[in-house]
Amino acid sequence: QSALTQPASVSGSPGQSVTISCTGTSSDIGAYNYVSWHQQHPGKAPKLMIFDVSGRPSGVSNRFSGSKSGNTASLTISGLQVEDEADYYCSSFSSGLVVFGGGTTLTVL
Amino acid sequence: QVQLVQSGAEVKTPGASVKVSCKASGYTFTDNFIHWVRQAPGQGLEWMGWISAGDNKRKYSQKFMGRVTFSMDTVATTVYMELSRLTFEDTARYYCARTRNFDYWGQGTLVTVSS
Repeated sequence: QSALTQPASVSGSPGQSVTISCTGTSSDIGAYNYVSWHQQHPGKAPKLMIFDVSGRPSGVSNRFSGSKSGNTASLTISGLQVEDEADYYCSSFSSGLVVFGGGTTLTVL
Repeated sequence: QVQLVQSGAEVKTPGASVKVSCKASGYTFTDNFIHWVRQAPGQGLEWMGWISAGDNKRKYSQKFMGRVTFSMDTVATTVYMELSRLTFEDTARYYCARTRNFDYWGQGTLVTVSS
């Protein structure tokens, strides 16, 4: 399994929206709705932000939303806040195997 | 509340093995499976595999097959990850995480391979 493809970095100003893409294949992202997104601040453990493409765990802000089209999943963060600055990773669970994206660094300018 | 608490940092020499533990609490241990994920310094997340606490089934990433072993102690609600034949490239923080969605993560265990 190859890693999912994410942009290395994205940026936005406070209050703006940004979208991070995650591209896989018809064998992983395209095959199932088991895409998750994880936020990781420096020196911290990752935190689940989105599960099953668009589900939001309790306690996660509704500024975070997920979607999928074909082999590409997306994470959109609206109303950017300074504390959103972090690394974001997508993951896909397919036929018992998991693959992560390479990670995207979000900078809030 | 759900918690995954991992064992402390380890320093190993090349060729040695390391065993990291992940103690689960706050939920029914056998209801879920546990993933192992590692992150080398400055790098991204790398999936190693999972173990099902309900039936002891395991799935390993092809990259680590033959070198990694997952085990568990149901009474202690603890899962273990043992990685053998360590090289410098195995220096990383190792995480355990719960369920298919990785809904809870351990704090990570730093494993340093150094001569």
